[in-house]
Amino acid sequence: RKEVEQDPGPFNVPEGATVAFNCTYSNSASQSFFWYRQDCRKEPKLLMSVYSSGNEDGRFTAQLNRASQYISLLIRDSKLSDSATYLCVVNAHNAGNMLTFGGGTRLMVKP
Amino acid sequence: DADVTQTPRNRITKTGKRIMLECSQTKGHDRMYWYRQDPGLGLQLIYYSFDVKDINKGEISDGYSVSRQAQAKFSLSLESAIPNQTALYFCATSGDYTDTQYFGPGTRLTVL
Repeated sequence: RKEVEQDPGPFNVPEGATVAFNCTYSNSASQSFFWYRQDCRKEPKLLMSVYSSGNEDGRFTAQLNRASQYISLLIRDSKLSDSATYLCVVNAHNAGNMLTFGGGTRLMVKP
Repeated sequence: DADVTQTPRNRITKTGKRIMLECSQTKGHDRMYWYRQDPGLGLQLIYYSFDVKDINKGEISDGYSVSRQAQAKFSLSLESAIPNQTALYFCATSGDYTDTQYFGPGTRLTVL
């Protein structure tokens, strides 16, 4: 079983739609959680951290469910520019502070 | 100028050749990392270094070696390249007290 699992997609949505991605992680000692965005053939870039209480950044909302060990990302009012791969990333501080990356979920927003 | 740079950006080589990928950063970070990315598998950690005298193996270090020449430079070598090392390679850096990693633009390596 992968340590961080994501549905690879692609999720094809029209502009303006709301779309949600989930991610599950296996290490119950995980302490820090993130969503990174990766455009085609480009480097991953931090989109947002995920806090226990949930957090919002504009059209993006991230939530964490520690009991069920899953993380979600909600994108409202999708834009064409949101088309990318979204990587779920987890840091287990008892594992040398290393980040573990999911395989990514691909989003395609269409006009 | 980019904070994390990688050279070369693209490389095609043949089986058995020695290849070096270089990474430089101007962020002043002590921690540097090398990852490879294969389609659908996510990024896998090859080696990491928390300072100039510190080198650690990641989850897939076999067939690779690294050198931390200075705080700002971290090189990855493939001593004898093989086709299944064809992948996208990323260097990353982070500060000592943060989880956030900053990635270079990547090197696309093809081993024929």
